[in-house]
Amino acid sequence: NAGVMQNPRHLVRRRGQEARLRCSPMKGHSHVYWYRQLPEEGLKFMVYLQKENIIDESGMPKERFSAEFPKEGPSILRIQQVVRGDSAAYFCASSRESRNSPLHFGNGTRLTVT
Amino acid sequence: AQSVTQPDIHITVSEGASLELRCNYSYGATPYLFWYVQSPGQGLQLLLKYFSGDTLVQGIKGFEAEFKRSQSSFNLRKPSVHWSDAAEYFCATNTGTASKLTFGTGTRLQVTL
Repeated sequence: NAGVMQNPRHLVRRRGQEARLRCSPMKGHSHVYWYRQLPEEGLKFMVYLQKENIIDESGMPKERFSAEFPKEGPSILRIQQVVRGDSAAYFCASSRESRNSPLHFGNGTRLTVT
Repeated sequence: AQSVTQPDIHITVSEGASLELRCNYSYGATPYLFWYVQSPGQGLQLLLKYFSGDTLVQGIKGFEAEFKRSQSSFNLRKPSVHWSDAAEYFCATNTGTASKLTFGTGTRLQVTL
């Protein structure tokens, strides 16, 4: 019974490159959330998706960031033209339903921009 | 907007001692409240949650938390800490229509032997 799977665990990109982070939710979960954790800070909500739909992207930066959760395959968080300030740990979480279902987190992808 | 405050950035306790981690929330109605633990390099694991009902909530690993509306608090407690409890602890709240959580900044627990 695999949990939330994120890959890669570590990702190094040079400034200006694209970063692509993947998340496979737990089996039976159709709700996916992305959070970002900056050093010495708590997690900040970025985006909430269901299959093929973005439900809430109020925490996403307006430029360079996008997310999708296609009908088939993992959810993808894409960061275009990365900058040093994008360096952080990005966590994906999934839940079975909305509101009353607790979130199950993956182990995160640690992005380093050089 | 709802918010969560964890006033203690870092706490050190001796193994076997009792533990209380503080969490205060800001919201008019009764929020949903959670405590998560994060070990180094890992994701977050849910310790316990409060939705309604009994204000004393039991969680995993011997942890419990008490919801006190009058103090807007949801403090995490453990009667006897083990060295393996050393980690970062996050309080979170969800008052929206989905499981979108607002996290506190975390409390790093160090356990001395």
